[in-house]
Amino acid sequence: KAGVTQTPRYLIKTRGQQVTLSCSPISGHRSVSWYQQTPGQGLQFLFEYFSETQRNKGNFPGRFSGRQFSNSRSEMNVSTLELGDSALYLCASSETTGGYSAFFGQGTRLTVV
Amino acid sequence: DQQVKQNSPSLSVQEGRISILNCDYTNSMFDYFLWYKKYPAEGPTFLISISSIKDKNEDGRFTVFLNKSAKHLSLHIVPSQPGDSAVYFCAASGLPGANNLFFGTGTRLTVIP
Repeated sequence: KAGVTQTPRYLIKTRGQQVTLSCSPISGHRSVSWYQQTPGQGLQFLFEYFSETQRNKGNFPGRFSGRQFSNSRSEMNVSTLELGDSALYLCASSETTGGYSAFFGQGTRLTVV
Repeated sequence: DQQVKQNSPSLSVQEGRISILNCDYTNSMFDYFLWYKKYPAEGPTFLISISSIKDKNEDGRFTVFLNKSAKHLSLHIVPSQPGDSAVYFCAASGLPGANNLFFGTGTRLTVIP
């Protein structure tokens, strides 16, 4: 069974631009969650999608948004990029909602210059 | 406010000895706890979990202990191996209305051969 796939792996963007990250969950998994990892902050929850509906949202500004498609693939968008958005963005999938036994992708390393 | 805390950013142990990684949490509503291991340039990998109805769960060399009264959990690795060198994150879930994992900031374990 293929794991969680995130694309692209690395990305460099300029302040003010926008970016879209993609996540394909494990086959059969309907929940996709997004996390931001920065040094010293651990993993901070962004949002979770389950069956194309946003189920939960973390404490991030509205510049961070996401969506999920009918095949459970998810995209995350960040608009008007700031230097502080530089981070590793991780996607996790699980069969059900609730954060249990989530499987993570390798992440997308976003650098904003 | 960090609801899950790992107060030791790093830990070094000799190969063959026991590694003990600690984690504290503040919200008594958490009902499920997980440990993840993360190598550089990879996503976190699920290691072991424990439900709040238990106080111990063991899987091979890995044992997680939960002390609900102290809001504390620990991961024991015995015996430690060089391949265990990684960053370990503890996470908690189960808050009503919050279907996500709350992560600690991680502890970097180095096992010295």
